[in-house]
Amino acid sequence: DAGVTQSPTHLIKTRGQQVTLRCSPKSGHDTVSWYQQALGQGPQFIFQYYEEEERQRGNFPDRFSGHQFPNYSSELNVNALLLGDSALYLCASSLLAIGNTIYFGEGSWLTVV
Amino acid sequence: AQTVTQSQPEMSVQEAETVTLSCTYDTSESDYYLFWYKQPPSRQMILVIRQEAYKQQNATENRFSVNFQKAAKSFSLKISDSQLGDAAMYFCAYRSQGETSGSRLTFGEGTQLTVNP
Repeated sequence: DAGVTQSPTHLIKTRGQQVTLRCSPKSGHDTVSWYQQALGQGPQFIFQYYEEEERQRGNFPDRFSGHQFPNYSSELNVNALLLGDSALYLCASSLLAIGNTIYFGEGSWLTVV
Repeated sequence: AQTVTQSQPEMSVQEAETVTLSCTYDTSESDYYLFWYKQPPSRQMILVIRQEAYKQQNATENRFSVNFQKAAKSFSLKISDSQLGDAAMYFCAYRSQGETSGSRLTFGEGTQLTVNP
């Protein structure tokens, strides 16, 4: 049973560019969330998707957007990249039912130069 | 909004000894979940232990146990018989029990645990 998978593992982008990160949830999971983890800090919640809709959003600007597909996989898009967007982006999946365990992927390292 | 505080940026322990990591949180909710996650150098978050706020009994998973003090809003992690593989960043996390909480976690800043041979 594959866990949460993310791609790409590492990428380097130039300031002002756009980036798309991808996530496939654990088999059977219907909810995907994205987190940003800056170096030396705890992860910060970006947003959560369920039934192809954004259900909750953290304190992130509109430059951060996402999408969930019918197969529950998800994308995180960041436009107009800033140097401060350099971070590890973690995808997490779960079943929406309360109490279910949340599983994380290994993350995508984004460096903005 | 909920907040989670880990006041120990770094901790160290001798192999086979016991160490306790501290976590406090702030919330106005009565029902919620608390978690400890481990993040090794591979950076993947691994669930160590979870606690439901409505349960008075402290959760235990093998060598890992928690001391949950709901009134004090404290949630510490005790690692017994520490092993070299326990070395990692440990995060305390909070999740509401609301209908839409889904997979939204609020994390603390983490505690870097070093295990000395």
